[in-house]
Amino acid sequence: AQTVTQSQPEMSVQEAETVTLSCTYDTSENNYYLFWYKQPPSRQMILVIRQEAYKQQNATENRFSVNFQKAAKSFSLKISDSQLGDTAMYFCAFMKQEGAQKLVFGQGTRLTINP
Amino acid sequence: NAGVTQTPKFRILKIGQSMTLQCTQDMNHNYMYWYRQDPGMGLKLIYYSVGAGITDKGEVPNGYNVSRSTTEDFPLRLELAAPSQTSVYFCASSYSGQPNEKLFFGSGTQLSVL
Repeated sequence: AQTVTQSQPEMSVQEAETVTLSCTYDTSENNYYLFWYKQPPSRQMILVIRQEAYKQQNATENRFSVNFQKAAKSFSLKISDSQLGDTAMYFCAFMKQEGAQKLVFGQGTRLTINP
Repeated sequence: NAGVTQTPKFRILKIGQSMTLQCTQDMNHNYMYWYRQDPGMGLKLIYYSVGAGITDKGEVPNGYNVSRSTTEDFPLRLELAAPSQTSVYFCASSYSGQPNEKLFFGSGTQLSVL
């Protein structure tokens, strides 16, 4: 079974700073996908970024980028120029490459951006 | 398009009661999922369906039942509610179930069992 671990329950930074959220995972699969989801107080689940394990290049989406270290089974999220709207719970998630999107989530990191 | 619609948004149950959480989507999606999110935790997969008439267990199926008689609807049934089922329940859907396809989430149903 796959497991996803987020070791930082809470983080807090000042607006415009850069913050990095950590995630490690355990799997025996070779082909898989990793995700970061954002959950604001509205409870909506918002996909932030996706990484295919077979791609060595780290994924980027505007201010969001990842550091994917396959051998170390590490998948961190970097948020640059943080904004007040980035305040939310952030979940790291794992998905095997199979015929359904069965996500395995970490426990989450509560990120607060202070003005 | 309404997307993925869940009803009700909130519900309080007494121990031993039963209820059905409704989920419907208007995007002609084949794949539908039920997740639960316990307080301060990530989501866990309860059941999923790859098409009408086909369902399968996820990580935490005990205490729940599902059916998929139509493409649009995927109700989740709690037969004997227990305090351990206090959670926020999310329904999600996608067309092909491929990893690079967007997964659409509903807004959740907050359930308390007292």
